[in-house]
Amino acid sequence: EAGVAQSPRYKIIEKRQSVAFWCNPISGHATLYWYQQILGQGPKLLIQFQNNGVVDDSQLPKDRFSAERLKGVDSTLKIQPAKLEDSAVYLCASSFGTIHEQFFGPGTRLTVL
Amino acid sequence: AQSVTQLDSHVSVSEGTPVLLRCNYSSSYSPSLFWYVQHPNKGLQLLLKYTSAATLVKGINGFEAEFKKSETSFHLTKPSAHMSDAAEYFCVVSESNDYKLSFGAGTTVTVRA
Repeated sequence: EAGVAQSPRYKIIEKRQSVAFWCNPISGHATLYWYQQILGQGPKLLIQFQNNGVVDDSQLPKDRFSAERLKGVDSTLKIQPAKLEDSAVYLCASSFGTIHEQFFGPGTRLTVL
Repeated sequence: AQSVTQLDSHVSVSEGTPVLLRCNYSSSYSPSLFWYVQHPNKGLQLLLKYTSAATLVKGINGFEAEFKKSETSFHLTKPSAHMSDAAEYFCVVSESNDYKLSFGAGTTVTVRA
């Protein structure tokens, strides 16, 4: 079966610019996650969706980050405006349900100059 | 709240020798514990998981881990390292009340020929 797809794989922007990441989960997976992985650290959950509703966004910096999952399938994560400390790998994961194994995409590596 | 501590940030082994990656956890509820592997430019892959069944858990690629409640540990081992084992390894804990994943900082494994 096809895995979790993410694009772009790499992105370089200057601070204060905007950027968007796209994720296509495994078909049939109702739960979708966005993680931020800063160099040298483990991934940290930013937001969790169940179908097209937000389950947990307590760690999402809402003044600059936003995410949506229209129609309960694909999702986009946006940063506006970007800061230097946003440089990280952004991972998308999906699972059949909240208690099931999460499958991770390859990630998008963001560099903010 | 749950957390994990990976005791080694970097482990270097010779090909064919044993690998030991150490992990200690903290959890208020019945924990599930996982080991994930991340190869360069690849998504996170689940190696194995403990969910309150057998304390010795066997995973893919010859890895296994033992859950020791008295020591709050979940160390990962492999009897004979292969060059393809070079990667980043993450110990992860999840609690039964919310199933959210909390990642350790990771251990980088290098394998010498």
